[in-house]
Amino acid sequence: DQQVKQNSPSLSVQEGRISILNCDYTNSMFDYFLWYKKYPAEGPTFLISISSIKDKNEDGRFTVFLNKSAKHLSLHIVPSQPGDSAVYFCAASDAGGTSYGKLTFGQGTILTVHP
Amino acid sequence: SAVISQKPSRDICQRGTSLTIQCQVDSQVTMMFWYRQQPGQSLTLIATANQGSEATYESGFVIDKFPISRPNLTFSTLTVSNMSPEDSSIYLCSVQFRGNQPQHFGDGTRLSIL
Repeated sequence: DQQVKQNSPSLSVQEGRISILNCDYTNSMFDYFLWYKKYPAEGPTFLISISSIKDKNEDGRFTVFLNKSAKHLSLHIVPSQPGDSAVYFCAASDAGGTSYGKLTFGQGTILTVHP
Repeated sequence: SAVISQKPSRDICQRGTSLTIQCQVDSQVTMMFWYRQQPGQSLTLIATANQGSEATYESGFVIDKFPISRPNLTFSTLTVSNMSPEDSSIYLCSVQFRGNQPQHFGDGTRLSIL
């Protein structure tokens, strides 16, 4: 039972353009969502998060959008840079609007940004 | 930000043996967790390492197979017992400094069982 799904295994984008990574979830109890970036041979690095009381959160080039009715979130990277090439994981928790405790991860999307 | 060190970074082990993975943080943390990432799969939580008491295991994971210790607020170990090729995975430690902050991960231990 995959409660968090990233249906696109890979995404290829030109440098300077927008990268949009998508994530769907099925558990309506999830109320806090996170995006992590992972380079080969390293652990996941936290990028940005959003609580279910918001529908948008922005941090520099990264913006996360949450559509609760559709149980869908997306990560926008603008402008994309070659250093953004990595695996991106969506994660969710149901700990009262925090990331406290168990995180449920999606399968990841490989982003490649071409110069 | 704090430094999270995992040892070993990788290992190749024989079937039937056990391996203990260490996770050390350079500052005290509220929560420590152990995850597994099987080849081509997502990260799955194995257990929450509780300081001074038994770990809390997720469905499908048992203490006999994955004993965990957490003697203090900066250190935890995960043992993978009686290993089989199906245990070949990346094992990751994560920490949470306070309740309303994201989890941060170590670089993982890449384990291969022959």
